[in-house]
Amino acid sequence: AQSVTQLGSHVSVSEGALVLLRCNYSSSVPPYLFWYVQYPNQGLQLLLKYTTGATLVKGINGFEAEFKKSETSFHLTKPSAHMSDAAEYFCAVSDQGYSTLTFGKGTMLLVSP
Amino acid sequence: EAQVTQNPRYLITVTGKKLTVTCSQNMNHEYMSWYRQDPGLGLRQIYYSMNVEVTDKGDVPEGYKVSRKEKRNFPLILESPSPNQTSLYFCASSLSWDRASYEQYFGPGTRLTVT
Repeated sequence: AQSVTQLGSHVSVSEGALVLLRCNYSSSVPPYLFWYVQYPNQGLQLLLKYTTGATLVKGINGFEAEFKKSETSFHLTKPSAHMSDAAEYFCAVSDQGYSTLTFGKGTMLLVSP
Repeated sequence: EAQVTQNPRYLITVTGKKLTVTCSQNMNHEYMSWYRQDPGLGLRQIYYSMNVEVTDKGDVPEGYKVSRKEKRNFPLILESPSPNQTSLYFCASSLSWDRASYEQYFGPGTRLTVT
């Protein structure tokens, strides 16, 4: 069974600082990888995804993530945090054959002025 | 507007009183799914459906039922709710069950409290 580990349930950064949210997965074959964001009292919105091809993936709102097969990682980054980035972020994986997603436990990003 | 809708958005009920949370999508998606979200546990899949009349259990199906009689609707049924089913529930849909690269679209969530 697939599993997803997000390091740190809470990450705090200052506005303008680098954002780094970590995600590691366990899978016998390279899965499809996703990052979702959840703003307060809202559903989940797709930030970006990796399926095949270029391992550096760019998403919405200036976020990007890099698939590193050797490290089984898919960390999410943004060069400069904005107050509006404060939200909970979820990493998810799926087998290449099916749409079923396995989610990590989430990381709450806190941005201070 | 392409969307997934859920009703009700908030529900407080008592133990044992049957309830249904509706989910509808207007994107002609094949795949639909229900998740529950609990603090510190992330999202866990309850049930999913690959198409009309095809449903299967996810990771935490106990105490829940689903049906998929029409492509657009995927209701979640709690026959006898218990306090441990107090949670935030999300419905999601995706274009196809066999293309995991397709994005899953999420509804706004239903916050259920069982007393």
